[in-house]
Amino acid sequence: GQQVMQIPQYQHVQEGEDFTTYCNSSTTLSNIQWYKQRPGGHPVFLIQLVKSGEVKKQKRLTFQFGEAKKNSSLHITATQTTDVGTYFCAGLVYNTDKLIFGTGTRLQVFP
Amino acid sequence: DTAVSQTPKYLVTQMGNDKSIKCEQNLGHDTMYWYKQDSKKFLKIMFSYNNKELIINETVPNRFSPKSPDKAHLNLHINSLELGDSAVYFCASSLLRWGTEAFFGQGTRLTVV
Repeated sequence: GQQVMQIPQYQHVQEGEDFTTYCNSSTTLSNIQWYKQRPGGHPVFLIQLVKSGEVKKQKRLTFQFGEAKKNSSLHITATQTTDVGTYFCAGLVYNTDKLIFGTGTRLQVFP
Repeated sequence: DTAVSQTPKYLVTQMGNDKSIKCEQNLGHDTMYWYKQDSKKFLKIMFSYNNKELIINETVPNRFSPKSPDKAHLNLHINSLELGDSAVYFCASSLLRWGTEAFFGQGTRLTVV
């Protein structure tokens, strides 16, 4: 079946350091979304990328969608303690209605 | 006014029991979902409905039966609960079926003892 893997599984950083999570799909995606889940909370939508090679920025967050539409990345510059949580990518499998969530990357930020 | 609300928030029950989780969205969305999040935080899609019609039914045991009385509601009924059913169940909705932003409910933490 379709799989969406994320690496790393966990990342601990000192506040102010940068952070990147990578998302890889076994199949081509129509689009990719990113969500953040705070501890004890529910996933909250961050952004959607649709075009091959697309790059979008939200303040300190930079999102990329790969040329082949099978991978994506999220980069956070100068992390803050408020960035703590699990980051999920979610890919819409091409020609289907299925939004498959990645395995998630748990980010811990130490002050 | 909560956009996607699910009840109950916590559910502790014994093996073999039958239980239901309710979900309602007031966003006017066409599509609703049930996701299961296990102890490792993996989010797996279980079901998706579009305008009351089932469009995704993943490999979920048939003890799980979704019901959508109207497009604003998607309930999940689970028969003969097993220990492995313990997880957090999230309801979500999106405007359209083709991968638009999903809004999640607060989750229902189900513990089977």
